[in-house]
Amino acid sequence: NAGVTQTPKFQVLKTGQSMTLQCAQDMNHNSMYWYRQDPGMGLRLIYYSASEGTTDKGEVPNGYNVSRLNKREFSLRLESAAPSQTSVYFCASLRTNTGELFFGEGSRLTVL
Amino acid sequence: EDKVVQSPLSLVVHEGDTVTLNCSYEVTNFRSLLWYKQEKKAPTFLFMLTSSGIEKKSGRLSSILDKKELFSILNITATQTGDSAVYLCAGSPPGTYKYIFGTGTRLKVLA
Repeated sequence: NAGVTQTPKFQVLKTGQSMTLQCAQDMNHNSMYWYRQDPGMGLRLIYYSASEGTTDKGEVPNGYNVSRLNKREFSLRLESAAPSQTSVYFCASLRTNTGELFFGEGSRLTVL
Repeated sequence: EDKVVQSPLSLVVHEGDTVTLNCSYEVTNFRSLLWYKQEKKAPTFLFMLTSSGIEKKSGRLSSILDKKELFSILNITATQTGDSAVYLCAGSPPGTYKYIFGTGTRLKVLA
């Protein structure tokens, strides 16, 4: 079982560059999420998608865009990266009946 | 604005101690509350709580929810060094699957 797969695992960007983090799940879950985690902090919700075709802002959406491409895939785009976006990014999907969020391994992004 | 508050922020105990971690949810109500353990990488699921007063147990870990007081506790008995981790809780407002996490409690268990 692949579960939730994120790519890339590591990325270094220069300020102003753009990039897309990809996420795919093979568990047929409706809801998917993007979180960021900074050192010593909990997870902060960037965007989530309750179902295919819908996306909603989380706690810290500024500077990000998302696309729910289909039921499996949910991508996160940084249009013009800033050093404040240096973080570890986690994608997750939700098994609704148990409330369990399944997380990818994380993507470590550094913006210079 | 929904907010999840955890306390204490950090805790150091010795093996064999019992610890109680707290999570409160600053909204009028919520759909469910989740507990996670995070070591080096991604968080791993511990419990989902939806009903007040019903304790959930898994080995030495247990959790209970007070939905009226918007409060949950996570108990760990007979702690082991392997329990050292950050413990996170998350809640979602009614009618949504928007899960907001607290900042976590960093637990260190000394041998």
